[in-house]
Amino acid sequence: DAGVIQSPRHEVTEMGQEVTLRCKPISGHNSLFWYRQTMMRGLELLIYFNNNVPIDDSGMPEDRFSAKMPNASFSTLKIQPSEPRDSAVYFCASRESRGYNEQFFGPGTRLTVL
Amino acid sequence: AQTVTQSQPEMSVQEAETVTLSCTYDTSESDYYLFWYKQPPSRQMILVIRQEAYKQQNATENRFSVNFQKAAKSFSLKISDSQLGDAAMYFCAYRYYNTDKLIFGTGTRLQVFP
Repeated sequence: DAGVIQSPRHEVTEMGQEVTLRCKPISGHNSLFWYRQTMMRGLELLIYFNNNVPIDDSGMPEDRFSAKMPNASFSTLKIQPSEPRDSAVYFCASRESRGYNEQFFGPGTRLTVL
Repeated sequence: AQTVTQSQPEMSVQEAETVTLSCTYDTSESDYYLFWYKQPPSRQMILVIRQEAYKQQNATENRFSVNFQKAAKSFSLKISDSQLGDAAMYFCAYRYYNTDKLIFGTGTRLQVFP
C-alpha cells in the first residue's frame, strides 16, 4: 500500500494567494483528517470527514480555510487568501473507522507564506 | 473535555540506555484508546504503540513498552536499548472509543547521544 499521499510536499507562496493542498487517503479508509502543526500551537485537528461527509470542522481557524472531499479517494484543503501566519506543516491522515484502528499520516506539506 | 499532557518538553538518553517519557490524560470515559506516535526529522508521524483502556496488560512492541495506569490516568512510554534512530518528537494521543478524533499532547523531544 502506498500510504497516505499528500501533494505538494513543499509550497512557497505570497500573501494573498490561494493555496490548495491535496490528499489521497489509503484505499479502504473511510475517515480522513486534516491537521496543522506549528511550533507555537503544536498539532491541531482542523477538520475530519467520515464517508466523505465533514463531521467536525471546529478546528478550522477562519473562513479563509475550506476543505472538501468529493470522493473517497481525494480531499483538498484550500486557503484563500493566504497569510504569513498560515505558514505551517499540514498533515492529512486516514483510518478505517471501526474500533481500534489507528490513523495513518501522510508525509505532510510544508507551507510557507511570504 | 479530554486533555493530554506531556510535561517533559525535552529528554535525552545515552545510546543503549533506557528512557521513559511521561504522559497523563484527563477523561471521564472508561472506554478509550491511547497511542504513542513518533515524529523523526523527516516529519512523518509514525505509530509506535497503542493501548486499549480495557486491557490491563501493558502493550509491548519490541524495545518499546508502556506503563498504563488507568486509575492514575497515566500512560508512559519506555524505550529500552535506545538507538540513535530513536531520536525524534514523541506524541502521546487519546481517542474515545466511539469517536474518530485523536487528542494529542504537546510532544517530548528525545535526543539520543552516542
